[in-house]
Amino acid sequence: ETGVTQTPRHLVMGMTNKKSLKCEQHLGHNAMYWYKQSAKKPLELMFVYNFKEQTENNSVPSRFSPECPNSSHLFLHLHTLQPEDSALYLCASSQDRGFMNTEAFFGQGTRLTVV
Amino acid sequence: TQLLEQSPQFLSIQEGENLTVYCNSSSVFSSLQWYRQEPGEGPVLLVTVVTGGEVKKLKRLTFQFGDARKDSSLHITAAQPGDTGLYLCAGGPLRGAQKLVFGQGTRLTINP
Repeated sequence: ETGVTQTPRHLVMGMTNKKSLKCEQHLGHNAMYWYKQSAKKPLELMFVYNFKEQTENNSVPSRFSPECPNSSHLFLHLHTLQPEDSALYLCASSQDRGFMNTEAFFGQGTRLTVV
Repeated sequence: TQLLEQSPQFLSIQEGENLTVYCNSSSVFSSLQWYRQEPGEGPVLLVTVVTGGEVKKLKRLTFQFGDARKDSSLHITAAQPGDTGLYLCAGGPLRGAQKLVFGQGTRLTINP
C-alpha cells in the first residue's frame, strides 16, 4: 500500500474514445502530479497541482486535460489520443514545503494503450 | 534545463556480484533521491540524500551524494535476484522545489 491509488491499472482505448484516469492519495499531501513514462525515455512531468491549483503544464497537448477537485483527488481526461500516447501514466503526490526537499510518492500507474 | 544522466543504462550481472550505478549532472541539486521501479509498478522511494558528501546505507545498498551535490552513486553489495528493477535518480532543484528532475534510469538484472 503506497498511499497513492490509481485506477484503472490497464486501459485500451480507440483514438476516438474519451476516457479518464483517476488518482487518489491518502497521505495528506498538498501537491499532486501526472507523469508519463515511455520506453527508453526519462519520466516526463505533465502537470503539477498545488492546493488544487494547477501550477505547471509542461507543454502537454490539449487532448490531455487534468482536473483536481480537491487535494486528495486528481484526474486525467483523455480524448482523441494518438497511438504514440501509449505509455505508463503515473500519478504522484508530495508535501510542498517551499524550497525544501520534495519526495514523491507514486501510484502503481495506468498502462494505456491507444489503438 | 537541468539534466541527470544515469550510467550504465543496462546492467546484467550474476547473483553475488557487486555493482555501482551512477547519476551525474552539471547542475547543483538541493537533494537527490533514488527510486526503484519493478515491472508494472510505480517507482518506490529508496533514499534521499541532502548534504554534499553524505553516505546512506540501506542493508546492502550504499548511496553517496557528491561533495558538490552534482552527482550520486548507488553501490549494491552481493546482489540478489530481488534487486532486479529499474533504478531512477531524481534531483530536487535549488529553486522550485516541486519540479523533480529524473534520470532515464538504469535497468538492472540479477541472474540467479
